[in-house]
Amino acid sequence: DAGVTQSPTHLIKTRGQHVTLRCSPISGHKSVSWYQQVLGQGPQFIFQYYEKEERGRGNFPDRFSARQFPNYSSELNVNALLLGDSALYLCASSFVVAGSKDTQYFGPGTRLTVL
Amino acid sequence: EDQVTQSPEALRLQEGESSSLNCSYTVSGLRGLFWYRQDPGKGPEFLFTLYSAGEEKEKERLKATLTKKESFLHITAPKPEDSATYLCAVQGGANDYKLSFGAGTTVTVRA
Repeated sequence: DAGVTQSPTHLIKTRGQHVTLRCSPISGHKSVSWYQQVLGQGPQFIFQYYEKEERGRGNFPDRFSARQFPNYSSELNVNALLLGDSALYLCASSFVVAGSKDTQYFGPGTRLTVL
Repeated sequence: EDQVTQSPEALRLQEGESSSLNCSYTVSGLRGLFWYRQDPGKGPEFLFTLYSAGEEKEKERLKATLTKKESFLHITAPKPEDSATYLCAVQGGANDYKLSFGAGTTVTVRA
């Protein structure tokens, strides 16, 4: 079975530009979460979506937005990129919305570099 | 706010030299404590979930334990392929939709 997939693998943008990152969850999983991981730190929670609804948002500015599609795939959008947005962006999927005993499985990530 | 602290930051081991990693946490109503392994430039790989104090889980050379304030990841007779960053995360009752991670422990095992 395929795991969580993310695209693109790497991305280079300049300050002020916009970026869209994509994620496909494990088949049968209905919840997708997004995390940002800066080098040397643990992942930081950005969003969680379940059944196309936002169920949680971390401490990130409004430049960050996301959505989930009917097939449970998801997009993360970041506007007006800053140098500090350079990071590994991770997508995780789980079978049920958090609140029960589920486990989040991570994709390989998208490495974003902002110049 | 959930807090997770991992120690040490880095650990260098000789092949076969057993050791333990620590994860201290503060959370309101623990729903689960998770251990992940992360290789450089890759996404975290799930290892274990622990739900209540006293629980233990094992996988090959790894064993995870949980108390009310901390978790340990024991590595028995490590091999070079066990070299990675090990991440600990908690899922709390108040904000149970997210994982709160520690900064990780980077383990290097020399042959």
